Amino acid sequence: RKEVEQDPGPFNVPEGATVAFNCTYSNSASQSFFWYRQDCRKEPKLLMSVYSSGNEDGRFTAQLNRASQYISLLIRDSKLSDSATYLCVSHTGGFKTIFGAGTRLFVKA
Amino acid sequence: GAVVSQHPSRVICKSGTSVKIECRSLDFQATTMFWYRQFPKQSLMLMATSNEGSKATYEQGVEKDKFLINHASLTLSTLTVTSAHPEDSSFYICSARVLYGGAEDNEKLFFGSGTQLSVL
Repeated sequence: RKEVEQDPGPFNVPEGATVAFNCTYSNSASQSFFWYRQDCRKEPKLLMSVYSSGNEDGRFTAQLNRASQYISLLIRDSKLSDSATYLCVSHTGGFKTIFGAGTRLFVKA
Repeated sequence: GAVVSQHPSRVICKSGTSVKIECRSLDFQATTMFWYRQFPKQSLMLMATSNEGSKATYEQGVEKDKFLINHASLTLSTLTVTSAHPEDSSFYICSARVLYGGAEDNEKLFFGSGTQLSVL
């Protein structure tokens, strides 16, 4: 089993739709979590950190459930520019970073 | 934010040649640099962790004699793919770890822009 697993995707949604990505992690020692966005053949860019209390940044909302070892990302009012691969990332002690395989999102006009 | 400059962005080479990829931290000192490889439609896979002035730590399954990592200064880390073969064709990317306030719970990764290697 992979340490970080994500929905395989791809997700094809129209502009304006709400889309949710799910992620689970298997290492209970994982300390912190992030969502990154990666465009094709580009470096990943940090989208947001994920906190147990939940956090929101504009149209993006991230949630963490440590009991279920589950992380989510919600994108509201999807834009064409949101089309990318979204990576779920966990950090464990000693800064071991584990990337999920990513979920591709296509937003269409 | 911190900037990591990675060169070259793209390289095409013949089988058997060696290719060097550089990552420089432009406005900060990177004591720890990570090197990743990404095959099409797959996730970033950590290859090795390099600390300035010491030998790199390689992940299981990564050949240290094939992927030479040098981190001789606080601003430069290099990855050399020796005797490259077509199966080494991939997207290689580095990232630098930055601790804010010296705290392990307040750290970020800054990525280079990646190198697309194609071995013919």
